[in-house]
Amino acid sequence: AQSVTQLDSQVPVFEEAPVELRCNYSSSVSVYLFWYVQYPNQGLQLLLKYLSGSTLVKGINGFEAEFNKSQTSFHLRKPSVHISDTAEYFCAVSDRGSNYKLTFGKGTLLTVNP
Amino acid sequence: DADVTQTPRNRITKTGKRIMLECSQTKGHDRMYWYRQDPGLGLQLIYYSFDVKDINKGEISDGYSVSRQAQAKFSLSLESAIPNQTALYFCATSDPGHDNEQFFGPGTRLTVL
Repeated sequence: AQSVTQLDSQVPVFEEAPVELRCNYSSSVSVYLFWYVQYPNQGLQLLLKYLSGSTLVKGINGFEAEFNKSQTSFHLRKPSVHISDTAEYFCAVSDRGSNYKLTFGKGTLLTVNP
Repeated sequence: DADVTQTPRNRITKTGKRIMLECSQTKGHDRMYWYRQDPGLGLQLIYYSFDVKDINKGEISDGYSVSRQAQAKFSLSLESAIPNQTALYFCATSDPGHDNEQFFGPGTRLTVL
C-alpha cells in the first residue's frame, strides 16, 4: 500500500527567503507524484507532477520539486517566496497497484511573513 | 465557468438529518471522487467511481453513500448526519489518459450541529 509523509505540519518563513517543503512516500512500484496547493477558502490546484523522465520538475508560480528514488522523496522548493504563497501544500502519490488513485499527505501550512 | 462545481458551498444541518452534496463536471472525465478534509488530516477518500456503472468504497465510507447519475454527476449522501461528519468535502475528477491528474471542485463546508 502506498503512503505519504509530510514531515512538517507548519513552515513559517519571511518574504523573499527560500523554502523547502518535505515529502516522503512509500510504494512498491513505479509512482506518479504530485504537489497540490490550497489557498485559503479554495479548492486544490495542481502545482506540479512527476510522471517519468527528468527528476527535476518545474511547476507554476516558481516552484520546483526533485524526485529522489533512492530516498523515496519528492521535496518542493522555491528560491524566494512571496506573501501570496501562504497556503497549505499537499503531496500525493499514485501507482498502478492502487489503480492510480491518489493518496495524500496530511499537508504543510506555509506561512510567509513580511 | 468552473470545470468542477459543487452545491451547496456551505450547509449547516442538525444531527439525524439526511444531506446530499452534489458534484457536476464539464471536463468529460470518467473518474470521479469524493474526499473529506479535516484540519491536520489531509484529504481522505470516501468513495470513487471509474465510470457510471462503477462505484467503490474509499478509506472512510461508513456513514456515507453515493450515486453516479451520469458521467457528469456524482452525489454524496449522508443518510443520518452526525457531528463528526462536520468537515470540508471535495469532489474531484480525473482522466486516466492524462496521467490521472485530479481536478478539484471548490468544496462544500458542512457543519452538523
